[in-house]
Amino acid sequence: QKEVEQNSGPLSVPEGAIASLNCTYSDRGSQSFFWYRQYSGKSPELIMFIYSNGDKEDGRFTAQLNKASQYVSLLIRDSQPSDSATYLCAVTGTASKLTFGTGTRLQVTL
Amino acid sequence: DTGVSQDPRHKITKRGQNVTFRCDPISEHNRLYWYRQTLGQGPEFLTYFQNEAQLEKSRLLSDRFSAERPKGSFSTLEIQRTEQGDSAMYLCASSIWTGTPNQPQHFGDGTRLSIL
Repeated sequence: QKEVEQNSGPLSVPEGAIASLNCTYSDRGSQSFFWYRQYSGKSPELIMFIYSNGDKEDGRFTAQLNKASQYVSLLIRDSQPSDSATYLCAVTGTASKLTFGTGTRLQVTL
Repeated sequence: DTGVSQDPRHKITKRGQNVTFRCDPISEHNRLYWYRQTLGQGPEFLTYFQNEAQLEKSRLLSDRFSAERPKGSFSTLEIQRTEQGDSAMYLCASSIWTGTPNQPQHFGDGTRLSIL
């Protein structure tokens, strides 16, 4: 079992719709959860981070965390073509290193 | 805040050669991380430093890899006797350590290594 699992996609959503990206993790000791956006050929860019159960909103982005279910998600409202990228879920436990999933490729269609 | 800086951006070398990469973290960040990413995969942890101390190395990091952060500022990652399988994007990230929970890590643009 992979430590952090994501559906590789592609996830295709029309412009203006809500994109929902999901991630599960295996280590119950995980404490910090991050979403990064990565355009092709570029490095990861931090989008959101969340530490506590519940929702955290920042502009068009909402991160949701459910530690009991070991599940973290990212919602993107009013999706734009510029949101088309790979979204990487990453977690840390007591150790500082990030453990990444393989990413979900999002395509926002016109 | 000038961001994390990595040099070079691209490196092409022949198998068996040694290569060295440099990373300059965000100035106030005391933690510095190295990751490696291959096509279609998420970044994979290699090693990290707090100030000049190397606190953890991945078991996947062979003896051909070595990293330093001598003055607690910039870091270098050296790969000796490069192999085809070393071809990847090498990413550096930095963060502030303030205790748990872990603060976000910010990535540089990466160094893309190609082994001929």
